[in-house]
Amino acid sequence: QVQLVQSGAEVKKPGSSVKVSCKASGGTFSSYTISWVRQAPGQGLEWMGRIIPILGIANYAQKFQGRVTITADKSTSTAYMELSSLRSEDTAVYYCARGQVNRPIDYWGQGTLVTVSS
Amino acid sequence: DIQMTQSPSSLSASVGDRVTITCRASQGISNYLAWFQQKPGKAPKSLIYAASSLQSGVPSKFSGSGSGTDFTLTISSLQPEDFATYYCQQYNSYPHTFGQGTKLEIK
Repeated sequence: QVQLVQSGAEVKKPGSSVKVSCKASGGTFSSYTISWVRQAPGQGLEWMGRIIPILGIANYAQKFQGRVTITADKSTSTAYMELSSLRSEDTAVYYCARGQVNRPIDYWGQGTLVTVSS
Repeated sequence: DIQMTQSPSSLSASVGDRVTITCRASQGISNYLAWFQQKPGKAPKSLIYAASSLQSGVPSKFSGSGSGTDFTLTISSLQPEDFATYYCQQYNSYPHTFGQGTKLEIK
């Protein structure tokens, strides 16, 4: 069955960067899209960006432009989300999620808690 | 960016009830609308895509409708496991924005 397994929780200092991984199994990785969605404590879902691995093209929400980089390694079926210049407001659970080019998200990773604190 | 507005923000209902949640887009999105369910401390679960198509394994008690700017999610015969927060998301254009969520609570 489809599984998206994310890397573990991180604690980061303000101004640093974090890189979260998302390993996919149970499907043809290159055939799908991988989105990254975050959720601050007690808040709603926020779309950050999406990559189409077969094309290597990523699109980002304007809010994160210049601070976020989403990549995908087809050889290991793993996607990555790197967020730089971290601030306390970036404390959140970060989810990866699988979709298709003209279809939305159908499967979600378990989430990775990133805590930004001095 | 397309703004997605859900109503109500919270809703109290009883087991066995039928409830409807509304999602409105700030501009037309055809039927590129998805619904998700999230329980506390858990990852969201995908329910509906293309406004009205059920994801695999989702029970038929969930149904969606709408096109353009106005959409609804209806849940029939509420059971204890249905009490959760529900989100809509448009995927017509980037960024794929979410609604603010509707918390469905047991009365």
